[in-house]
Amino acid sequence: DAKTTQPNSMESNEEEPVHLPCNHSTISGTDYIHWYRQLPSQGPEYVIHGLTSNVNNRMASLAIAEDRKSSTLILHRATLRDAAVYYCILLRRDGNTGKLIFGQGTTLQVKP
Amino acid sequence: NAGVTQTPKFRVLKTGQSMTLLCAQDMNHEYMYWYRQDPGMGLRLIHYSVGEGTTAKGEVPDGYNVSRLKKQNFLLGLESAAPSQTSVYFCASSYLGPYSYEQYFGPGTRLTVT
Repeated sequence: DAKTTQPNSMESNEEEPVHLPCNHSTISGTDYIHWYRQLPSQGPEYVIHGLTSNVNNRMASLAIAEDRKSSTLILHRATLRDAAVYYCILLRRDGNTGKLIFGQGTTLQVKP
Repeated sequence: NAGVTQTPKFRVLKTGQSMTLLCAQDMNHEYMYWYRQDPGMGLRLIHYSVGEGTTAKGEVPDGYNVSRLKKQNFLLGLESAAPSQTSVYFCASSYLGPYSYEQYFGPGTRLTVT
């Protein structure tokens, strides 16, 4: 399975934008880039995913490099509720299935 | 909709005891998954199912069995619990394959084996 590399931890101030980087230099053409987050004592929560183009939804934006070897999750205005572990995951199609392989993720701290 | 629910929320077992964890979803999802999460680690896939009556092994299937007799339920069994199975167990479901469709996770079951 393709590997992703994320910083172990990051800090942000409340109401400021946050850019969470992810490197995936071994990505293949059919790998989707998924982001999940896990708030303390909860199950993971889907954030966003993309293949080639940048993506926006109500939670965040995903910026994908032109060569697809890296991506950045953007939280436009961090809130205290955004403090969580953020996982960048490459999902490769395997027939009609694909398995999420979680790494250790980035722990985001948000300061008031 | 309740989404994905897990029963029980907490459990303490003695080594060698057996138990079954129940996962239920009310979203009519085809795919269901069981993960475990050890302290300070990411989640690891134990088993998954791509539809009623089907199951498949994930990354760490040893010591666990699963069944998907009904589309809405996915059971995880431990036949003879070991201390190494102390973990938080998460169930998830998705509409079709997870390569484009998001997975919805339950709140987790915290299991301690002494």
